[in-house]
Amino acid sequence: AQSVSQHNHHVILSEAASLELGCNYSYGGTVNLFWYVQYPGQHLQLLLKYFSGDPLVKGIKGFEAEFIKSKFSFNLRKPSVQWSDTAEYFCAVNSGGGYNKLIFGAGTRLAVHP
Amino acid sequence: KAGVTQTPRYLIKTRGQQVTLSCSPISGHRSVSWYQQTPGQGLQFLFEYFSETQRNKGNFPGRFSGRQFSNSRSEMNVSTLELGDSALYLCASSLTSGGSQETQYFGPGTRLLVL
Repeated sequence: AQSVSQHNHHVILSEAASLELGCNYSYGGTVNLFWYVQYPGQHLQLLLKYFSGDPLVKGIKGFEAEFIKSKFSFNLRKPSVQWSDTAEYFCAVNSGGGYNKLIFGAGTRLAVHP
Repeated sequence: KAGVTQTPRYLIKTRGQQVTLSCSPISGHRSVSWYQQTPGQGLQFLFEYFSETQRNKGNFPGRFSGRQFSNSRSEMNVSTLELGDSALYLCASSLTSGGSQETQYFGPGTRLLVL
């Protein structure tokens, strides 16, 4: 069965620190990859997505992610975090088949201290 | 354009009861997917509807069912509620069911508490 692993369940950073959240998936075929964010009290929002082409994908709010096929990874990065980035981040994969079925990782709770 | 809306936002039920949750997708979106979010299991796919047909189903018991109407609005029903059904139920809509490259837009969820 397809699965998505997020290595860090809780991350605590100070403002201006760099962020990298790990994501690995288990599916060996063509995949489409997503990062979603859930701010406190808000609904899930799309940060960025990768379908094909340039493996370095830029999203909203200064986030980017790099798809490394050989490592089955899609890590999320941000050079300098802000207090407003405090949220839960979810990596997700859709392995195709013509269905809108996302497999989510367990999520990473990020707390950014001023 | 209005986002995905879900009603009700909060619900308290007792074991053995049934519940119906509603989801209105973004205008023009025809695919609706449902997910269950719990602290223990995270986000899990329930099912997807497109053009009033269930296209895919996750690993949930038959007590979980759904339907989609001609205006793309969707409902999910859980019968014979169990304590473990307490969760945030999320609805997501996308333009079509054209495949895995569709972006799904999520609603705020319905938080169900089963006592």
